[in-house]
Amino acid sequence: DAEITQSPRHKITETGRQVTLACHQTWNHNNMFWYRQDLGHGLRLIHYSYGVHDTNKGEVSDGYSVSRSNTEDLPLTLESAASSQTSVYFCASSETTGVAGEKLFFGSGTQLSVL
Amino acid sequence: SQKIEQNSEALNIQEGKTATLTCNYTNYSPAYLQWYRQDPGRGPVFLLLIRENEKEKRKERLKVTFDTTLKQSLFHITASQPADSATYLCALPSSGTYKYIFGTGTRLKVLA
Repeated sequence: DAEITQSPRHKITETGRQVTLACHQTWNHNNMFWYRQDLGHGLRLIHYSYGVHDTNKGEVSDGYSVSRSNTEDLPLTLESAASSQTSVYFCASSETTGVAGEKLFFGSGTQLSVL
Repeated sequence: SQKIEQNSEALNIQEGKTATLTCNYTNYSPAYLQWYRQDPGRGPVFLLLIRENEKEKRKERLKVTFDTTLKQSLFHITASQPADSATYLCALPSSGTYKYIFGTGTRLKVLA
């Protein structure tokens, strides 16, 4: 069965370190997204991609970067981790059908703690 | 800016009753709206989509309404069961793209 997987499930790092969270989908979806989820804020969009070599900033992109070298993967990099980036990170994907309303398929999330 | 509001307080109901969750939005006229379910430690899972020309949509025990005049969607679970306990999120498309804005979610607890 097609799926979307995130790794690691849990990560503890120190302030200032570079961290990369992996996201891999086997749906062959063009669209991929990174969200962070915090109490009181819900899901907020960090970065997104509509295809290979395409990347776009979301509403909370400062301090994060992504790259899309193939259809299956969209790794999220925290260039210099800060305590404010402690959160649960979700990757999602969707297909492009030409009909508005494509649903998102989410991974199980990565719990990141920055100490 | 676009804003979505869901009741952040948890909703507790007795098993067998109908649960009703609310999603309000402002500064926005979406062509459709989605509802997701999220269990603890898991990612959201898509439940239903309703378009602006559909006043009501049903799927098994789930019913969603969409009132574009009130700028509100209601999500109903009839004959609720403890297994329905979860957080429910509404999501709206962001300005004609494939990305979505999510509400903060409402946590539902169905008591046996």
